[in-house]
Amino acid sequence: EAQVTQNPRYLITVTGKKLTVTCSQNMNHEYMSWYRQDPGLGLRQIYYSMNVEVTDKGDVPEGYKVSRKEKRNFPLILESPSPNQTSLYFCASSSQGIGLAGTYNEQFFGPGTRLTVL
Amino acid sequence: GDSVTQMEGPVTLSEEAFLTINCTYTATGYPSLFWYVQYPGEGLQLLLKATKADDKGSNKGFEATYRKETTSFHLEKGSVQVSDSAVYFCALMGGFKTIFGAGTRLFVKA
Repeated sequence: EAQVTQNPRYLITVTGKKLTVTCSQNMNHEYMSWYRQDPGLGLRQIYYSMNVEVTDKGDVPEGYKVSRKEKRNFPLILESPSPNQTSLYFCASSSQGIGLAGTYNEQFFGPGTRLTVL
Repeated sequence: GDSVTQMEGPVTLSEEAFLTINCTYTATGYPSLFWYVQYPGEGLQLLLKATKADDKGSNKGFEATYRKETTSFHLEKGSVQVSDSAVYFCALMGGFKTIFGAGTRLFVKA
């Protein structure tokens, strides 16, 4: 079954304790991305990756790190979490699909990780 | 920078009513436009998309037309069902970045 998986699904931690949220896709997609969802703000992009070893900042990258060493995995790292990073996090992937007109394919989303930082 | 503005919710409709959720955008270049739907406790899933001006995306009775002249991508459905109750997100993708609207929650009453 084609899917994006995230782990853990729920996490409660304390300020300053490093954590990693894993994301994996089995669709051989080039593009992967992390978002956070907060009430009234929709989803905001944290980081994205166009392919292995190619990453770039989204709109809200502060306090986060990513790496893309393998095509299927795109972990999100919080080196020193703070309470303002309490949120619902989604990983997504898509095939590159850049057409002649610069069009983009749809993204497939994971089930989400609910993070609470105390 | 690029942005997406959606009508605020919640929107409450009776079953079989007509639905419109407004979405307007600002972007440089020619982004691709999407509507995603999120059911309670789940991730987002694609509802429909349009990749160039005047394209109409459609799926499950929902439609939206990419209007470059008005920079809009309004979502419509002729007759909603209780099962359509969810949060709907308008999004654009351009230059590998993705911008989402704030989301519109829809409640459909039987």
